[in-house]
Amino acid sequence: ETGVTQSPTHLIKTRGQQVTLRCSSQSGHNTVSWYQQALGQGPQFIFQYYREEENGRGNFPPRFSGLQFPNYSSELNVNALELDDSALYLCASSLGPGGNQPQHFGDGTRLSIL
Amino acid sequence: KQEVTQIPAALSVPEGENLVLNCSFTDSAIYNLQWFRQDPGKGLTSLLLIQSSQREQTSGRLNASLDKSSGRSTLYIAASQPGDSATYLCAVDPRATDSWGKLQFGAGTQVVVTP
Repeated sequence: ETGVTQSPTHLIKTRGQQVTLRCSSQSGHNTVSWYQQALGQGPQFIFQYYREEENGRGNFPPRFSGLQFPNYSSELNVNALELDDSALYLCASSLGPGGNQPQHFGDGTRLSIL
Repeated sequence: KQEVTQIPAALSVPEGENLVLNCSFTDSAIYNLQWFRQDPGKGLTSLLLIQSSQREQTSGRLNASLDKSSGRSTLYIAASQPGDSATYLCAVDPRATDSWGKLQFGAGTQVVVTP
């Protein structure tokens, strides 16, 4: 069984640029959640996608957007990058969107903004 | 608004000693509480998940307790080993329908086990 995979593993961008991060969900999982983890902090929920629709959003500005594809893989897009966007971005997949569905995490994408 | 706190932020123990990690949360309306391990620069590995109806969960040297009414969970790691060195995070899955499935994490406890 293939777990959650994220690409790329590392990325360096400059302020104002745009970035796309990718996530392949675990086999059989139809829900993907994205989290941002700043250095020394716990992950913060960005948004969740269920069957290609956004299913809840955390306290992040609209320049953070996402997509989910028919195969349930997902993308996180960030426009107009700011220095504070430097973080580890984690993707997690689960069997469903509801509470009590264990989430399985990938190894993350480390994004550095210069 | 749910807040999750982990104290201490860092902990150093000699090999063989038992580890006790604490997690507190402000809203008892949760589906479950989960403990994760995170190695430097890596993703999260789930260690234990305690359902809201359970009092504890065990896996090998790990034991986690949950007292929902007081908003507390404790992770015990018996006979610590240098390989246990990592950051340990707790997360709650809120029961509120507009928040379910959106895990809320503490900032973690960084553990170092010295040989």
